[in-house]
Amino acid sequence: SYELTQSASVSVSPGQTATITCSGHKLGDKYTCWYQQKPGQSPVLIIYQDNKRPSGIPDRFSASNSGDTATLTIRGTQATDEADYYCQAWDIAVVFGGGTKLTVL
Amino acid sequence: QVQLQESGPGLVKPSETLSLTCSVSGGSVSSGNYYWSWIRQSPGRGLEWIGHIFYGGNTNYNPALRSRVSISVGVSKNQFSLKLSSVTAVDTAVYYCAREASSGSFDMDVWGKGTTVTVSS
Repeated sequence: SYELTQSASVSVSPGQTATITCSGHKLGDKYTCWYQQKPGQSPVLIIYQDNKRPSGIPDRFSASNSGDTATLTIRGTQATDEADYYCQAWDIAVVFGGGTKLTVL
Repeated sequence: QVQLQESGPGLVKPSETLSLTCSVSGGSVSSGNYYWSWIRQSPGRGLEWIGHIFYGGNTNYNPALRSRVSISVGVSKNQFSLKLSSVTAVDTAVYYCAREASSGSFDMDVWGKGTTVTVSS
């Protein structure tokens, strides 16, 4: 079955750029989206179709997808960005990455 | 805007069938632009997609759960439902319903608040 691999955790200082990666076989050939989930809350879609932001999502969030890796970039990271981030793609079924815990130190 | 609300028993006994319903407001399950999905999250774990349904009744399920899962849609009640049979403790999770794009990107832009289901005798 298809798998998406994410680093378990990423740490970043406030104001710096956070990079979260998601890898899977020929992931660049598929649409990838990203979710942010804060403790006790439902996931929120922050990126869809590889690099599009839904209405209301700050432009600090951007993403790309090529080859075997999709990348979520958060510029000017804020304390409020501390959350779990999940990538997702489709391969005969919806597949989620294992999630990356972003800590803003 | 579209809102989703999960409902159902919070406690299910082992070997029994878990049944949940997702009520849709502000939109219609008959929209041809979306699938209607179930996702779960075990305590302290990541997201696991269970399956989805199109308003016409076409379904896709997580291969790991396919033998135990059934998703149905009730157009007249504007809701869709999940049944998971032969549950065990590993099925204890927060269960979410979500709206999923049918355009080929399968992103989920609207989520319910989730409902906690515990499997225990």
